[in-house]
Amino acid sequence: ELKVEQNPLFLSMQEGKNYTIYCNYSTTSDRLYWYRQDPGKSLESLFVLLSNGAVKQEGRLMASLDTKARLSTLHITAAVHDLSATYFCAVNSGGSNYKLTFGKGTLLTVNP
Amino acid sequence: EPEVTQTPSHQVTQMGQEVILRCVPISNHLYFYWYRQILGQKVEFLVSFYNNEISEKSEIFDDQFSVERPDGSNFTLKIRSTKLEDSAMYFCASSYTPGLDTQYFGPGTRLTVL
Repeated sequence: ELKVEQNPLFLSMQEGKNYTIYCNYSTTSDRLYWYRQDPGKSLESLFVLLSNGAVKQEGRLMASLDTKARLSTLHITAAVHDLSATYFCAVNSGGSNYKLTFGKGTLLTVNP
Repeated sequence: EPEVTQTPSHQVTQMGQEVILRCVPISNHLYFYWYRQILGQKVEFLVSFYNNEISEKSEIFDDQFSVERPDGSNFTLKIRSTKLEDSAMYFCASSYTPGLDTQYFGPGTRLTVL
């Protein structure tokens, strides 16, 4: 059974600082997704990573995928308050299985 | 920009009652999904649907659950006899090519079972 683990689960950071959220998964996959969820809202797609070494950047967020290590990272650069949200990684194990298996999420709070 | 829509946004029901949650996926998408999120917990897969049949379902998706695409636009999730533990946010999602593009999530239906 595919397991997806994120850490940290809670992250409080100051504006302007950098930090990284880690997502480890237990079985071979080259399909990893990052979503953002604001309180009481739906999941907003941030990144789709489909190959080993994939790196994508949008604004202050950058995501990467290392399929050999079964690890994805979401790096936050110079955090701002608007980035406060819960961030989920999700893995698709491929083949004919299309379901996403989610991590528990990282609640990010950016303080002024 | 096209989006997934869901109705109702909040449904309150009594234990043992049937509920139907409705979703309109993005129009050219071919794959449809239901997920649920119990308050404060992670998002869990329930079922995927393609070509008018279930392609995969989780252990949560037991005989009390069913899905249907009654017409060319709607995708529904029915819970026949609700239990207290069914209380959760239910998200519908859709994608065009599974695995190769993202799944787009709707705003969710908050189901409260009393």
